[in-house]
Amino acid sequence: SQKIEQNSEALNIQEGKTATLTCNYTNYSPAYLQWYRQDPGRGPVFLLLIRENEKEKRKERLKVTFDTTLKQSLFHITASQPADSATYLCALDPRGFGNEKLTFGTGTRLTIIP
Amino acid sequence: SQTIHQWPATLVQPVGSPLSLECTVEGTSNPNLYWYRQAAGRGLQLLFYSVGIGQISSEVPQNLSASRPQDRQFILSSKKLLLSDSGFYLCAWSAPGLRQLGYTFGSGTRLTVV
Repeated sequence: SQKIEQNSEALNIQEGKTATLTCNYTNYSPAYLQWYRQDPGRGPVFLLLIRENEKEKRKERLKVTFDTTLKQSLFHITASQPADSATYLCALDPRGFGNEKLTFGTGTRLTIIP
Repeated sequence: SQTIHQWPATLVQPVGSPLSLECTVEGTSNPNLYWYRQAAGRGLQLLFYSVGIGQISSEVPQNLSASRPQDRQFILSSKKLLLSDSGFYLCAWSAPGLRQLGYTFGSGTRLTVV
C-alpha cells in the first residue's frame, strides 16, 4: 500500500537558519507533490506544487525539491523566522484528470526558536 | 474571490446521535469537493470526494455518508455517531484540472463524541 513518511514529528530550528523537512514515499508514483502549512486548530494552507519533471521549485524563502528516483521531496525554509512555526504537510497528487485526490503525510511540526 | 465556509466550528455530540456538517463554496463553479478527517497527531484521511452534483466517492468504509445536493454544497452526515468518529473534520475544494492552485480548506469542525 502507499506510504508517506515525513522525517520527524517535530523539528526545532534556530531563527535565521535553514529548516529542511523531508517527505518520503513508497509504492507510489505521483505526478505532482504538494506542500501545505497548518497552524493549530486551522485548515491546511497550500504553499507549493512541484511536478515530477521539475527538480526544484522556489517561492520567496521556500524551496522544494522532488527526486522521483529516491522517492523523496525536501522542503526548505531559508532565513527562518518564528512566524514560520507551524506543521508542514506533504501530499501526493496522482496522475490523471478527474483523479485529483491528495494523500497526505502526517506532518512535521516545525518550531523556530528566537 | 473564492471562499469556503464550514460550520459549526465546534461540536460535542453524544454517542448514537446524528451528525450533519455543512460546507459551501463561493466564487467558483463545478469545484471538486472533499471531506477529510484528522485525528489527533495523525495525518489527514480522505473520507469522501465529489466531482459533481450527486457524485460521491467513498474512500473509507464507515458509518458516515456524504451528499452534494447543490454544485457548491457538500454535507457530511451520520445517523448514529461512534466514539471513534471524534476528530477534526475538514472540507476542501479544488478547481478541476488546475492542480497548480492546490486545495483550499475550510476552517474545520472539531467534533467530540461523548
